[in-house]
Amino acid sequence: SQTIHQWPATLVQPVGSPLSLECTVEGTSNPNLYWYRQAAGRGLQLLFYSVGIGQISSEVPQNLSASRPQDRQFILSSKKLLLSDSGFYLCAWSVGTPSNYGYTFGSGTRLTVV
Amino acid sequence: GQQLNQSPQSMFIQEGEDVSMNCTSSSIFNTWLWYKQDPGEGPVLLIALYKAGELTSNGRLTAQFGITRKDSFLNISASIPSDVGIYFCAGQLLTSGSRLTFGEGTQLTVNP
Repeated sequence: SQTIHQWPATLVQPVGSPLSLECTVEGTSNPNLYWYRQAAGRGLQLLFYSVGIGQISSEVPQNLSASRPQDRQFILSSKKLLLSDSGFYLCAWSVGTPSNYGYTFGSGTRLTVV
Repeated sequence: GQQLNQSPQSMFIQEGEDVSMNCTSSSIFNTWLWYKQDPGEGPVLLIALYKAGELTSNGRLTAQFGITRKDSFLNISASIPSDVGIYFCAGQLLTSGSRLTFGEGTQLTVNP
């Protein structure tokens, strides 16, 4: 069966520090991968998505970047965190185009920038 | 980009009451999905709808794919405290590749 792992679960980082969040998927090949941010427990903002290794599409210009070094690994990074980067970060995967079977989300990372 | 208008934004109900929420769009969707997010967790898929007019149930949950393919609703019958969370609708457009379009969510609070 397919599983998605996202870590860490919580993170407190000072302003100006770097960030690296990792997401891995097991049990499937060539998944579509996504990074979302959720502020204040409401809407899901798509940050990045990837349909293959090294293929990254950015939805919102920001202080963050994403990389996909392996087929089932998706990394969200920042060189210098801002206070506004605080939020709940979710990784998700899907198969096929279109994603008629929906996305499967990870359990999220709560990032607090202080 | 495409938008889904989800309403209501929040609901405060008593245990045992029925709940209804919906999503509308100016675009035609080929798939409608409903997710629930428990506090501090990632959203989990509740129901997927693939045909216009389709009515699907999952326990106390019932969802429908609108005939015009531009809307969908989710009903929860006889609510219980564990129904608390954020409910998201999502739609799949053929023109958007693998990406889903999500509604802004409905925050449901159930008072015992």
